[in-house]
Amino acid sequence: DVVMTQTPLSLSVIPGQPASISCTSSQNLLHTNNKTYLYWYLQRPGQSPQPLIREVSSRFPGVPDRFSGNGAGTDFTLKISRVEAEDVGVYYCMQGINLYTFGQGTKLEI
Amino acid sequence: QVHLVESGGDLVKPGGSLRLSCAASGFTFSDYYMSWIRQAPGKGLEWISYIDYTGTTIHYADSVKGRFTISRDNAKNSLYLQMTSLRAEDTAVYYCARAVSLGDWGQGTLVTVSS
Repeated sequence: DVVMTQTPLSLSVIPGQPASISCTSSQNLLHTNNKTYLYWYLQRPGQSPQPLIREVSSRFPGVPDRFSGNGAGTDFTLKISRVEAEDVGVYYCMQGINLYTFGQGTKLEI
Repeated sequence: QVHLVESGGDLVKPGGSLRLSCAASGFTFSDYYMSWIRQAPGKGLEWISYIDYTGTTIHYADSVKGRFTISRDNAKNSLYLQMTSLRAEDTAVYYCARAVSLGDWGQGTLVTVSS
């Protein structure tokens, strides 16, 4: 099984400041088709998860450009350039190369 | 606009069974893989199953293998999850999600397993 490990597990950020969340996988997420199956989701309080980033760095439609993703192989990062109040919630990374596994989640507070 | 609506959640006794449904609209249902993901109270997300376009390819998490069955009816634009031999640890909100990327999620339906 692929294990996904996120750090930190909680984060307190001042609005307008940047934030960064790391995600490490126990296996290389690079497929033979040259795609890397690493995703990021945000679950706001009381809501369903919503997608942010697909395949490491591509934003889903409608996702603000203050969200960015990077990384390769087993190490990935989600960055928020300037945190806003609406960014509060729990962020999950997920691998999709071998079924699906989510990280434990990182709670972002303001 | 993509719309996924789960239903069927309920309070059920340990060892009991339940069938969840996910009604899809706003897209060509038969063009997409579909998944079920659950979230126990106060916990993180756990993927539990996916099904391909026609139901030919199906996978389950080890935690539900042999007890849960995913299926779909493309004519009815619906996804299902038949759950048997339910345990207390199956208590969770169950979400359906669209596509390999899990790019759209429903609002979830709560399953509570308790005597």
